[in-house]
Amino acid sequence: NAGVTQTPKFQVLKTGQSMTLQCAQDMNHEYMSWYRQDPGMGLRLIHYSVGAGITDQGEVPNGYNVSRSTTEDFPLRLLSAAPSQTSVYFCASSRRGGGRNNYGYTFGSGTRLTVV
Amino acid sequence: AQSVTQLDSHVSVSEGTPVLLRCNYSSSYSPSLFWYVQHPNKGLQLLLKYTSAATLVKGINGFEAEFKKSETSFHLTKPSAHMSDAAEYFCVVSTTGNQFYFGTGTSLTVIP
Repeated sequence: NAGVTQTPKFQVLKTGQSMTLQCAQDMNHEYMSWYRQDPGMGLRLIHYSVGAGITDQGEVPNGYNVSRSTTEDFPLRLLSAAPSQTSVYFCASSRRGGGRNNYGYTFGSGTRLTVV
Repeated sequence: AQSVTQLDSHVSVSEGTPVLLRCNYSSSYSPSLFWYVQHPNKGLQLLLKYTSAATLVKGINGFEAEFKKSETSFHLTKPSAHMSDAAEYFCVVSTTGNQFYFGTGTSLTVIP
């Protein structure tokens, strides 16, 4: 049972380059999200999706794009990398639910991105 | 609007002594609350969750938390700290199930 798989684990980019962080889950979860983790700031929501074909912005969406063409995959695209995007990125997925049926997210192991 | 405040950025305890990590929340609606743990250079693991059922919630590895609506708190406790508990702990609030709001984290150090 793979859970949430993120690739790559490490990446170094030059300012202005673009790239895609991959995320795949094999649990048939409807919800998927991308977070970035920075020291002293916890995790902040970048984008999220409640199902295939549906995405929305989180707290810090600028400079990032997402799409959700299938239930399994939720790639995060950096359009033109900037040093401020140096961070650890986590993808997460969850079953649909809220209130008493809030199942909580399962997280991937993260991608450590450095922009120079 | 939803948010959480973790009242201590760092907590140090001696092995075998109790652990208390404090979390206050703000939410316009009935919240779900979670505690996650992150060991160094690892992903996040769910410790426990509160979703409008019993207010005292038991999680993995001997941790528990109590939801107190009157105090808007969801503090994490453990009776006896173990060296393996040294990690970063995050309190999380959610109302919709698809958006989570994280606290800034508490780093727990366990002294042998």
